[in-house]
Amino acid sequence: GIQVEQSPPDLILQEGANSTLRCNFSDSVNNLQWFHQNPWGQLINLFYIPSGTKQNGRLSATTVATERYSLLYISSSQTTDSGVYFCAVERGGSYIPTFGRGTSLIVHP
Amino acid sequence: KAGVTQTPRYLIKTRGQQVTLSCSPISGHRSVSWYQQTPGQGLQFLFEYFSETQRNKGNFPGRFSGRQFSNSRSEMNVSTLELGDSALYLCASSLEHAANGYTFGSGTRLTVV
Repeated sequence: GIQVEQSPPDLILQEGANSTLRCNFSDSVNNLQWFHQNPWGQLINLFYIPSGTKQNGRLSATTVATERYSLLYISSSQTTDSGVYFCAVERGGSYIPTFGRGTSLIVHP
Repeated sequence: KAGVTQTPRYLIKTRGQQVTLSCSPISGHRSVSWYQQTPGQGLQFLFEYFSETQRNKGNFPGRFSGRQFSNSRSEMNVSTLELGDSALYLCASSLEHAANGYTFGSGTRLTVV
């Protein structure tokens, strides 16, 4: 099956810093989503971005499908950004996303 | 509108017992998927139900089963529990399929002792 690799696995920031999270995938995909899991376990969909760039407040994402990677940018990080960020990709047919192992982010005040 | 509701939030069971978890999707969502999340294996797909039919299935033993009712609510059952079944079980609903965008519930944390 398709492989999804996220980097870095862990990230520690001071409040106000910027960061870039990366998601590499091993084959062409039809869909790609970014999720944030808060410390209580709730997974929230951030972006649905099979290609191109999207922005939502301090967060933005870019997917370069031809080169098989996606980037999630977090600017002016806040303590509430802490949690785990997952990338999930889906190939044609099943519509079942495959999740990466995530990037664990801790933002200190 | 109400989100995806999973019950119970926490559960402690003994090895060998069975357990049933419930998931109520967002109104109008017909697809319900279940995931198991553990520190060692990450998020793993269990199965997906659509219109009361299992449409996709992950690579889990037959002890893991599920069903979906006519109102789209879904249950999953784990029989003969093992210590390794301790995990956060997450349910996600979508209109037709995940490409429409998943909405996750808060999960059920199962501990097997």
